[in-house]
Amino acid sequence: EVQLQQSGPEVGRPGSSVKISCKASGYTFTDYVMNWVKQSPGQGLEWIGWIDPEYGSTDYAEKFKKKATLTADTSSNTAYIQLSSLTSEDTATYFCARGTIAAMDYWGQGVMVTVSS
Amino acid sequence: DIQMTQSPSSLPASLGERVTISCRASQGISNNLNWYQQKPDGTIKPLIYYTSNLQSGVPSRFSGSGSGTDYSLTISSLEPEDFAMYYCQQDASFPRTFGGGTKLELK
Repeated sequence: EVQLQQSGPEVGRPGSSVKISCKASGYTFTDYVMNWVKQSPGQGLEWIGWIDPEYGSTDYAEKFKKKATLTADTSSNTAYIQLSSLTSEDTATYFCARGTIAAMDYWGQGVMVTVSS
Repeated sequence: DIQMTQSPSSLPASLGERVTISCRASQGISNNLNWYQQKPDGTIKPLIYYTSNLQSGVPSRFSGSGSGTDYSLTISSLEPEDFAMYYCQQDASFPRTFGGGTKLELK
């Protein structure tokens, strides 16, 4: 069974960074890209970017290029997103989602990131 | 970027009713259109990919259609578990973009 298990909620101070994880199981991690999606409180879904775990190659939406860094550890089948220089605009739920030709076919449960001093 | 516009933003409906949600792209996306359902607890479930293909395990009361810039999701007979948010998403080009969402609520 394919599962994407994300880490727990995070609280970060303005100006700091947080790193959240997405552990994949039930499939070959390097065979699929991993997307990351942001959902601000009460808002819709925004695509942040994706990473190809096999090669480490990434692609980002323009507005997240200086905000998010995507990495993957093939030894632990885990994808990560690091959010830097946190502001209140970064308070949101962040989802990982496996990417295939059949869209984003499996999603993590989401991680709430709260930016607060 | 391709803009995705969903309508309506809110859709009151009754059990057993047939409903349709629309999604319009700002340019042609060659059927590269997917649909997702988000439940109130935040869980996101993929429903349809490439316009009309049901994801594994999705009931047959869900269907998708469209071409060019205009697409739609239809639920033929609403069940209680269908009341949720629905999002369309294009993967014709980068960045991937989502529609603003449609809240399907009980009338």
